Amino acid sequence: AQSVTQPDIHITVSEGASLELRCNYSYGATPYLFWYVQSPGQGLQLLLKYFSGDTLVQGIKGFEAEFKRSQSSFNLRKPSVHWSDAAEYFCAVGLSNFGNEKLTFGTGTRLTIIP
Amino acid sequence: GAVVSQHPSRVICKSGTSVKIECRSLDFQATTMFWYRQFPKQSLMLMATSNEGSKATYEQGVEKDKFLINHASLTLSTLTVTSAHPEDSSFYICSALPRPGELFFGEGSRLTVL
Repeated sequence: AQSVTQPDIHITVSEGASLELRCNYSYGATPYLFWYVQSPGQGLQLLLKYFSGDTLVQGIKGFEAEFKRSQSSFNLRKPSVHWSDAAEYFCAVGLSNFGNEKLTFGTGTRLTIIP
Repeated sequence: GAVVSQHPSRVICKSGTSVKIECRSLDFQATTMFWYRQFPKQSLMLMATSNEGSKATYEQGVEKDKFLINHASLTLSTLTVTSAHPEDSSFYICSALPRPGELFFGEGSRLTVL
């Protein structure tokens, strides 16, 4: 069975600083990887996804993530965070079954932005 | 972009009553929808897969009789929490696929059982 680990429960960064959120996965086949963001009391918004091809994927809101098979990682990055980026971030891995995605989520990383 | 909407966003009920939560795909048809549950400060756990016109598929450990799922149309799935108890209090989120590989989530419904 697949699993996702987000080692950092809570990260605090200054506005304007760079950000990297870690995600490691365990899956026997080629994974389908996702990053979602959740604001308090809200649903999840897809930031970006990786299925195949270029291992560096660009997402919305200036986020990017790099798939590294050798490290089983899919870390999320942003060069300069904004106060509005404060939220909960979830990494997820999906089964290789297009049209019937069942996602396994990591435990999430809460991002706090300080002025 | 694709929109998935849930209703109600918040509901408070007395212990022993049943509560229905709706999940609608507003601008696309969804033969499959997913229901997740999220405990405070925790991750999302898949509860069940809702299939239009057929029975839902429940994940291991999820009580089918407690969490009734109905997917009667291509744009609507409902989750009914029957005989709710305080331990059923949680944030319930649905999701749907407007196209393969892209899961969109509703805003979530917070259930509080007194």
